[in-house]
Amino acid sequence: KAGVTQTPRYLIKTRGQQVTLSCSPISGHRSVSWYQQTPGQGLQFLFEYFSETQRNKGNFPGRFSGRQFSNSRSEMNVSTLELGDSALYLCASSRFSQNTEAFFGQGTRLTVV
Amino acid sequence: QKEVEQDPGPLSVPEGAIVSLNCTYSNSAFQYFMWYRQYSRKGPELLMYTYSSGNKEDGRFTAQVDKSSKYISLFIRDSQPSDSATYLCAGLSGGGADGLTFGKGTHLIIQP
Repeated sequence: KAGVTQTPRYLIKTRGQQVTLSCSPISGHRSVSWYQQTPGQGLQFLFEYFSETQRNKGNFPGRFSGRQFSNSRSEMNVSTLELGDSALYLCASSRFSQNTEAFFGQGTRLTVV
Repeated sequence: QKEVEQDPGPLSVPEGAIVSLNCTYSNSAFQYFMWYRQYSRKGPELLMYTYSSGNKEDGRFTAQVDKSSKYISLFIRDSQPSDSATYLCAGLSGGGADGLTFGKGTHLIIQP
């Protein structure tokens, strides 16, 4: 059974640009959550999508957005990148919304220069 | 103050020792508690989760939750060098509105 797949693995962007990250959940999982991981703040919840609807949202500015497609794949977009957006972005999939068994992908390492 | 606190370590123990990893939390709404293991340059891997207070055992791992003191523990028996990683605890409220709330992790080193 394939795990959670995130693409790309690494990205370098310039301040002010925008970026789109992709996440393919485990087959049969309908919930995708996104997290930001930095050395200073640790893992922080961005938002969760379930059945193409945003169910929950963390305390991040509106520059961070996402969507989910009918096949449960999800994308996360960050507009007007700032240096502080440099982080490991992780997505987690689970069968149900906010299920206790959430499985993470390997992450996308974003560097903003 | 973060809602979930962990000692960042590093915690270094000899192979075969029993390891005790701990977290404290402040959010009374947490009903589920998870432990994840994260190797360098990898995503977190779910080890186990518990509901409310009590113990749960899975192989060499035992998770313990004491809601009265807001204290979470993970014990690793017969520790192996392959257990060397960062261990993250997390809490989840019943409604899950805020997603998983993680501690910053404890870096564990098992010395051969």
